[in-house]
Amino acid sequence: ELKVEQNPLFLSMQEGKNYTIYCNYSTTSDRLYWYRQDPGKSLESLFVLLSNGAVKQEGRLMASLDTKARLSTLHITAAVHDLSATYFCAVVRGNAGNMLTFGGGTRLMVKP
Amino acid sequence: DVKVTQSSRYLVKRTGEKVFLECVQDMDHENMFWYRQDPGLGLRLIYFSYDVKMKEKGDIPEGYSVSREKKERFSLILESASTNQTSMYLCASSAGGTSYNEQFFGPGTRLTVL
Repeated sequence: ELKVEQNPLFLSMQEGKNYTIYCNYSTTSDRLYWYRQDPGKSLESLFVLLSNGAVKQEGRLMASLDTKARLSTLHITAAVHDLSATYFCAVVRGNAGNMLTFGGGTRLMVKP
Repeated sequence: DVKVTQSSRYLVKRTGEKVFLECVQDMDHENMFWYRQDPGLGLRLIYFSYDVKMKEKGDIPEGYSVSREKKERFSLILESASTNQTSMYLCASSAGGTSYNEQFFGPGTRLTVL
């Protein structure tokens, strides 16, 4: 059974600082998503990572994937208040092509 | 743009009531999903459907049932609501096929059971 662990679950940081969110998963998968959720809103897809060593960047967010370590990271550079949201990683289940397993989410608060 | 809509944003029901949550997608997607979202647990799959009248149990199906009579509509049913079903419910849809296709999510329904 695929398990996805995300940490930290809560992160409070100052504007301008850097930080990394970690996503570990327990079994082989060929695809990992990062989503953002604003309060009261639905999930917005940020990145899809398809292969070992994949790196994607959008603004102050950069996601990477190490399939050998079964680890993905979401790195935040010089955080700004607008990045405050909850971030989820989700892993495609290897033997059930249309299903995802989600991590517990990281609630990020960026303080001015 | 894919659009997934859910019938209610907020719902308050009493213990023992039968509750229907409706989801509609407009992109002719074969697959539809129901999740519940709880703090610290992420999203957990309740049921999914890969075709009209077809359904599969997800990870936490107990206490729920589903109905898919038309391709665009997927309903989640709580036969007898209980307080531990108070949660945020999210619907999603994706194109069909043997490989994974991205899921698109609705805005969610926050259900409170008193």
